Amino acid sequence: DAKTTQPTSMDCAEGRAANLPCNHSTISGNEYVYWYRQIHSQGPQYIIHGLKNNETNEMASLIITEDRKSSTLILPHATLRDTAVYYCIVRVARSMNRDDKIIFGKGTRLHILP
Amino acid sequence: GAVVSQHPSWVICKSGTSVKIECRSLDFQATTMFWYRQFPKQSLMLMATSNEGSKATYEQGVEKDKFLINHASLTLSTLTVTSAHPEDSSFYICSARVRKGTSNQPQHFGDGTRLSIL
Repeated sequence: DAKTTQPTSMDCAEGRAANLPCNHSTISGNEYVYWYRQIHSQGPQYIIHGLKNNETNEMASLIITEDRKSSTLILPHATLRDTAVYYCIVRVARSMNRDDKIIFGKGTRLHILP
Repeated sequence: GAVVSQHPSWVICKSGTSVKIECRSLDFQATTMFWYRQFPKQSLMLMATSNEGSKATYEQGVEKDKFLINHASLTLSTLTVTSAHPEDSSFYICSARVRKGTSNQPQHFGDGTRLSIL
């Protein structure tokens, strides 16, 4: 699976939109972009994923560039509870007969400031 | 939906004892589950892939005789840390994925088990 690059840490003011970038310049055509976050002392939480179209759900929006070499996770109105480490992962979607492991990088530590 | 439950959430035991951690998929079946370990201020490290009805696949550097994995049913995988020592103290997390359609479905994670060996 392709490697991702994320900033080590970011700050965002409470109530503002938090935009977390991820670079995945070696992504291949059949690899999806997944975002997870981990709040302190908890297991990772799935946020959103996409292939090439922008995606939105109740938690966040995912913007993928046209060349798919980078993406941005957007938390539209950040709250203090969004303080966490955010992981961007690319992974191939294979057939149901195979289950592929996720390898975590170091992620971005997002601090939401009051 | 897609809830993964781990038990216990926190355990303290003496050096030399064995500790079993359970991972359950509560509302879906999981033929494969994954076990991770996380040390303070570090990212998650994959330990092994647990396959229902067959042997687990261990990552390089993980001792299979030390970390015993059993995946006896489609909703339960267990990780047993045998003869635990203080260096085994860590945060252990499992995950599983809903199997339907194409496999772009995300993995869902348990809340982890904090293991402290005295």
